[in-house]
Amino acid sequence: SQTIHQWPATLVQPVGSPLSLECTVEGTSNPNLYWYRQAAGRGLQLLFYSIGIDQISSEVPQNLSASRPQDRQFILSSKKLLLSDSGFYLCAWSVRAQPYGYTFGSGTRLTVV
Amino acid sequence: GNSVTQMEGPVTLSEEAFLTINCTYTATGYPSLFWYVQYPGEGLQLLLKATKADDKGSNKGFEATYRKETTSFHLEKGSVQVSDSAVYFCALSERSGSRLTFGEGTQLTVNP
Repeated sequence: SQTIHQWPATLVQPVGSPLSLECTVEGTSNPNLYWYRQAAGRGLQLLFYSIGIDQISSEVPQNLSASRPQDRQFILSSKKLLLSDSGFYLCAWSVRAQPYGYTFGSGTRLTVV
Repeated sequence: GNSVTQMEGPVTLSEEAFLTINCTYTATGYPSLFWYVQYPGEGLQLLLKATKADDKGSNKGFEATYRKETTSFHLEKGSVQVSDSAVYFCALSERSGSRLTFGEGTQLTVNP
């Protein structure tokens, strides 16, 4: 069966520090991968999506970046965090070109102090 | 483009009350429709889905019917429980691809 792992679960980082959040999917090949951010009390904001290794699209200009070094690994990074980067970050995967929806990871709560 | 409009929250109900969360959509084709639930501090979980007009998705006592004529997919439950307190997201995807368009989410609180 397919599973998605996201870590860490919580993270407190100072302003200006780097960030690396990791997401891996097991039990499937060639998934579409997504990074979302959810600010407190608000909806989902799509940050990045990827249809393959090194094929990443950015939805919102910001100081975050994403990489996909392997087929089932998706990494969200920042060189210097801002206070406004605080939020709940969610990774998700889907089967390509099929209307079956997404499977989400358990999320990372990031607090920038 | 595609869009999903959800009933604004928060919604507060007493236990055993009837729940309706409205969802309407705009799409160019014939999308698949979804409801996701997010419990406090967790990721989103698929609650139910419908892939064609007049389909009814159901799970855990929740139901939603794909209404093409009104472009709606309202979520209903006959008797809510405290454990149903969560944020509910309506979403759609076009058949030609798998990207989802989400609504803004509706916070539901059920009091004992």
